[in-house]
Amino acid sequence: GDSVTQMEGPVTLSEEAFLTINCTYTATGYPSLFWYVQYPGEGLQLLLKATKADDKGSNKGFEATYRKETTSFHLEKGSVQVSDSAVYFCALSGQFYFGTGTSLTVIP
Amino acid sequence: DVKVTQSSRYLVKRTGEKVFLECVQDMDHENMFWYRQDPGLGLRLIYFSYDVKMKEKGDIPEGYSVSREKKERFSLILESASTNQTSMYLCASSLGGRTGQPQHFGDGTRLSIL
Repeated sequence: GDSVTQMEGPVTLSEEAFLTINCTYTATGYPSLFWYVQYPGEGLQLLLKATKADDKGSNKGFEATYRKETTSFHLEKGSVQVSDSAVYFCALSGQFYFGTGTSLTVIP
Repeated sequence: DVKVTQSSRYLVKRTGEKVFLECVQDMDHENMFWYRQDPGLGLRLIYFSYDVKMKEKGDIPEGYSVSREKKERFSLILESASTNQTSMYLCASSLGGRTGQPQHFGDGTRLSIL
């Protein structure tokens, strides 16, 4: 069946460091891929999405490219900030498949 | 912006009680979902609904039921609460039709069963 495998955390980075959170998927057909972010005490918010192969989703300095050949959708940011501290979830359409989440802490 | 509102942020109930968690969305979305979130397990789908009075089981429906009498409201019911149902519960909604639509989440209800 369909599934998402996400890099385990927690991840701790210094401010302005480069971030990569790995996500790979298994799916039939041509799914859409998503990254969600959950700030402390809140629900999940859509961060970015890509709907077909080679699409790049981007938002708030975060990027992820839909790689069909490697079945991956890794999240990257060139320079993280303290305000990026949150839990990040990779997800696969029809929305029933979420990764286990990666907790990111950014220290000043 | 889409607003998904869950009736309680925190709830404490006793074993054996019947518990109702309410969720309302204001964007006329066809699809609504209930998840539970537990450390190390991510989000697990309990039930979902594609239309009024329609429901489908997710991965972990045991011990739960749902009700969708109106399009904007999706209720999760714990028939007889047990301590292993202590968790964070998240409601979400999305547009119907194409599966590439993102979900919009409420802020969650942290439920403790004593």
